[in-house]
Amino acid sequence: DGGITQSPKYLFRKEGQNVTLSCEQNLNHDAMYWYRQDPGQGLRLIYYSQIVNDFQKGDIAEGYSVSREKKESFPLTVTSAQKNPTAFYLCASSNRRGNQPQHFGDGTRLSIL
Amino acid sequence: RKEVEQDPGPFNVPEGATVAFNCTYSNSASQSFFWYRQDCRKEPKLLMSVYSSGNEDGRFTAQLNRASQYISLLIRDSKLSDSATYLCAVNHMDTGRRALTFGSGTRLQVQP
Repeated sequence: DGGITQSPKYLFRKEGQNVTLSCEQNLNHDAMYWYRQDPGQGLRLIYYSQIVNDFQKGDIAEGYSVSREKKESFPLTVTSAQKNPTAFYLCASSNRRGNQPQHFGDGTRLSIL
Repeated sequence: RKEVEQDPGPFNVPEGATVAFNCTYSNSASQSFFWYRQDCRKEPKLLMSVYSSGNEDGRFTAQLNRASQYISLLIRDSKLSDSATYLCAVNHMDTGRRALTFGSGTRLQVQP
């Protein structure tokens, strides 16, 4: 079954701790994305990557970091610099051509302990 | 002004009703448009792409009005299962940013 797998489903972060959210896709998509969604809000773009070993900041990149060492994987690290990390984090992927829709994983809910 | 705007609702409609949502976008160079459905505490799922000539998928019809810079979604014969939040998404091809920009969503509640 082709799809996007995010893990873990739920994550708790202590003060001063960095945590990493996993995103893996087997759709052979070139592009991958990370969004943050706060309750009752839309999706805000954190980072995106159009190709391996390249990524760009989105609208709210501060306090986050990413890597794209493999086509299938685009992990997101929420650093201690992100003071309000509680949110629903969604990973997506798409064909690199800009006119293609994005498909989402089922998300990770991050909370502060 | 937000790049992509939607009426947050909620739209409360009886079963069988026809309901329409609009989504306005500010960048006239936008080229790709989509509607997503998001259930409570779940990920968004692609409902349909929006084509220039308009397109239909069963009870759902999507239209694009480039002159007024909005897209619309029409749902006919609403079902209880249509209750969800509907997000529009737009791709601005001219900025070099190849990622969708999402509206905040319109919540639909279909009542028996």
